[in-house]
Amino acid sequence: AQKVTQAQTEISVVEKEDVTLDCVYETRDTTYYLFWYKQPPSGELVFLIRRNSFDEQNEISGRYSWNFQKSTSSFNFTITASQVVDSAVYFCALSEAGYGNKLVFGAGTILRVKS
Amino acid sequence: DGGITQSPKYLFRKEGQNVTLSCEQNLNHDAMYWYRQDPGQGLRLIYYSQIVNDFQKGDIAEGYSVSREKKESFPLTVTSAQKNPTAFYLCASSTRTSGGISSSTDTQYFGPGTRLTVL
Repeated sequence: AQKVTQAQTEISVVEKEDVTLDCVYETRDTTYYLFWYKQPPSGELVFLIRRNSFDEQNEISGRYSWNFQKSTSSFNFTITASQVVDSAVYFCALSEAGYGNKLVFGAGTILRVKS
Repeated sequence: DGGITQSPKYLFRKEGQNVTLSCEQNLNHDAMYWYRQDPGQGLRLIYYSQIVNDFQKGDIAEGYSVSREKKESFPLTVTSAQKNPTAFYLCASSTRTSGGISSSTDTQYFGPGTRLTVL
């Protein structure tokens, strides 16, 4: 069975601090996909990244970086030099190949960045 | 501009009434999805459709119904049978359908959501 755990319910940081959002997943499939989405106060989910299970390279996009480790079933997300605009709910999600492209979401982590 | 639109943004319903939430996309995506979000929880899949005139139940389909008569549209009806319908509803679409264990999966893009409140 698929499961995604985001143990951090809420994180508060001061602007310019680095922050890491944790994501741990469970799957029996060898081919799967991991995602991160951002949900700002407006409510719409914004796609940030997709990673497949065969690509363990870490990725950096501006102030965002992702660390994928199959050995620990984790796909953590780091924001460097956080800004107030980063305040949002962040969701990690998992999809197994051949499972109808259905996403299983974690409960989300609320990130509050204070100025 | 290509994208996904949902209407209305806010919807109020009296107990015992059916209501229909609209979802339209002009991205030429094959697959469309409906999710429900409750406070402090992640999204849960209600229904999904990989092709016109076909749809499947998700994890929490009871009390909901859908149709997929056009590629661009995937309306969701919240029926009176849904015991606790107050929630935020999000529609999504993706480019490619899945057809088996060797199929790949494509990214789902989301609409702005509809907040439904039962009075």
